[in-house]
Amino acid sequence: DIVMTQSPASLAVSLGERATINCKSSQSVLYSSNNKNYLAWYQQKPGQSPKLLIYWASTRESGVPDRFSGSGSGTDFTLTISSLQAEDVAVYYCHQYYSLPTFGQGTRVEIK
Amino acid sequence: QITLKESGPTLVKPTQTLTLTCTFSGFSLTTNEVGVGWIRQPPGKALEWLAVIYWDDDKRYMSSLKNRLTITRDISKNQVVLTVTNMDPVDTATYFCAHYTTVNAFDIWGQGTMVTVSS
Repeated sequence: DIVMTQSPASLAVSLGERATINCKSSQSVLYSSNNKNYLAWYQQKPGQSPKLLIYWASTRESGVPDRFSGSGSGTDFTLTISSLQAEDVAVYYCHQYYSLPTFGQGTRVEIK
Repeated sequence: QITLKESGPTLVKPTQTLTLTCTFSGFSLTTNEVGVGWIRQPPGKALEWLAVIYWDDDKRYMSSLKNRLTITRDISKNQVVLTVTNMDPVDTATYFCAHYTTVNAFDIWGQGTMVTVSS
């Protein structure tokens, strides 16, 4: 199974500042036939179900604010929140769906 | 509008079998590239994918739990059922079902149902 490793486990960012979360997969999730990375990012707020933010590593789901962006390819990926808002306090998970699905262990984002 | 809702017991005893039902609307599980998956989350811990059933009735299971999991579907009722045998206290978790596509993974989630394993 592909192991997803996120870093850091938690981070505290001032309002309006940038937050960066990293995710590394134990093997490539790039599908060569269509050049797509099968990597998604989710946001989970306390007491709520996860919400899809990004799929194919960098495609924003409909309705997701453009301050959220995804980048990376192969085995190394990043989720960036360009200007942190109070409502972005949550745990963020990366997820690969290239093979049997697996999730990262999560990154908790808080306000500094 | 796609919705999913999980239902099942909130408390099961160790060694018992857990049966959870996901009732969905707004899509058909016979549409190409569509599936329904189950994911669980122990209290305070990370998400853990368990199983998925696809539009063609293909099924996939988490490797380490494969021997304990069974996923089935009832197209006429718009339901997907997950059974987990030989429940243990470590299986205490919130269990989610979610709509899956090969493009954008688990894009719509149910509210989740909390299952506690205790004698």
